[in-house]
Amino acid sequence: QSVLTQPPSASGTPGQRVTISCSGSSSNIGSNTVNWYQQLPGTAPKLLIYSNNQRPSGVPDRFSGSKSGTSASLAISGLQSEDEADYYCAAWDDSLNGEVVFGGGTKLTVL
Amino acid sequence: QVQLQESGPGLVKPSETLSLTCAVSGYSISSGYYWGWIRQPPGKGLEWIGSIYHSGSTYYNPSLKSRVTISVDTSKNQFSLKLSSVTAADTAVYYCARHVAAAGTLNWFDPWGQGTLVTVSS
Repeated sequence: QSVLTQPPSASGTPGQRVTISCSGSSSNIGSNTVNWYQQLPGTAPKLLIYSNNQRPSGVPDRFSGSKSGTSASLAISGLQSEDEADYYCAAWDDSLNGEVVFGGGTKLTVL
Repeated sequence: QVQLQESGPGLVKPSETLSLTCAVSGYSISSGYYWGWIRQPPGKGLEWIGSIYHSGSTYYNPSLKSRVTISVDTSKNQFSLKLSSVTAADTAVYYCARHVAAAGTLNWFDPWGQGTLVTVSS
């Protein structure tokens, strides 16, 4: 059971816009920034969005992130076949001594 | 650019200690940043294990803290993970990554190593 809750799967057709949600609590998303990672099949995760809505250099502007209260979302517009991957949200959790918590991951299928 | 490479045994016996090293190139660990370990059991999600600063300051996942030791060797520009008393549940791909601190907390991981599969089995 992951601390952050993501839908296990999502899907869309090429060109479509899809969103992936990430739900947390006041001790994590509610008080800290959210980061998103993309994991293509058979590869290591890669930073996709940091500090809620910032894109690292090289990440297409088709990817965007947002946060409101204790939830965050990743949006992918103009969906492409190469976007088929697992997506994970993560945040710092202030409980106890603090820890990094991840969502369970969302497998995105491009139909 | 910064690159990280994990190394260590791919097979560890139950009850023994898992030991991995992450070699960093393209950046001096002594210059700053935290450096972390993350694992992913086969077919499952990501789990943070812990992170270390070049000074040796550490943060650990509370659920693993009693079994984990992360250390840093600035002379070799590498950091290491030891996980004791392993069981089959510790079978996973282990990743190392640079752990960026921002907004008052440990924040995002970037970049990541390619990962190394460690299987716990007799």
